[in-house]
Amino acid sequence: RKEVEQDPGPFNVPEGATVAFNCTYSNSASQSFFWYRQDCRKEPKLLMSVYSSGNEDGRFTAQLNRASQYISLLIRDSKLSDSATYLCVVNPGNTPLVFGKGTRLSVIA
Amino acid sequence: DAGVIQSPRHEVTEMGQEVTLRCKPISGHDYLFWYRQTMMRGLELLIYFNNNVPIDDSGMPEDRFSAKMPNASFSTLKIQPSEPRDSAVYFCASTYGTASYTDTQYFGPGTRLTVL
Repeated sequence: RKEVEQDPGPFNVPEGATVAFNCTYSNSASQSFFWYRQDCRKEPKLLMSVYSSGNEDGRFTAQLNRASQYISLLIRDSKLSDSATYLCVVNPGNTPLVFGKGTRLSVIA
Repeated sequence: DAGVIQSPRHEVTEMGQEVTLRCKPISGHDYLFWYRQTMMRGLELLIYFNNNVPIDDSGMPEDRFSAKMPNASFSTLKIQPSEPRDSAVYFCASTYGTASYTDTQYFGPGTRLTVL
């Protein structure tokens, strides 16, 4: 089983739609979790951290389910500018961050 | 701050040639990471340094790859000889702090390498 697994997509959604991505991780001892965003031909950048209690940043909501070892990202009211690849990232605790391969989102006008 | 700086941004070379990629981390950051990204394998960690010392190079694919960090503001990744399968985007990232694994990693713009 890969350390971090994501559905590669692409997810093609119309503007204004709500879209959700899931990610699973294999190491139950993992300590912290993040979503990074990568625009086409650009570098990855931190989008948000994922806390056990869940967290929200504007239209973005991240959730963590430790029992099932999955992380989710919900985007409400999608904008064209949300089109990007979203990388699920896990801190295993004793090694550097582990990045998923990413889920590609295309928001269509 | 200028962010992480990488050069060159694009490199096209022929099989067998030596390639050197360069990185300047954000000033004050004590961890530096080299990654390779391809469609097939995603983002792979090649090697990382702490205070200029290589900590883990287990991700380096083979002896053709080597990395150095002679000082806190400069690192190189060298491929010699290069092969077509080395074609990828190579990213350098840096971060700061004792909780480095939880801190945000700041990526450079990457070097897009094509080996013909």
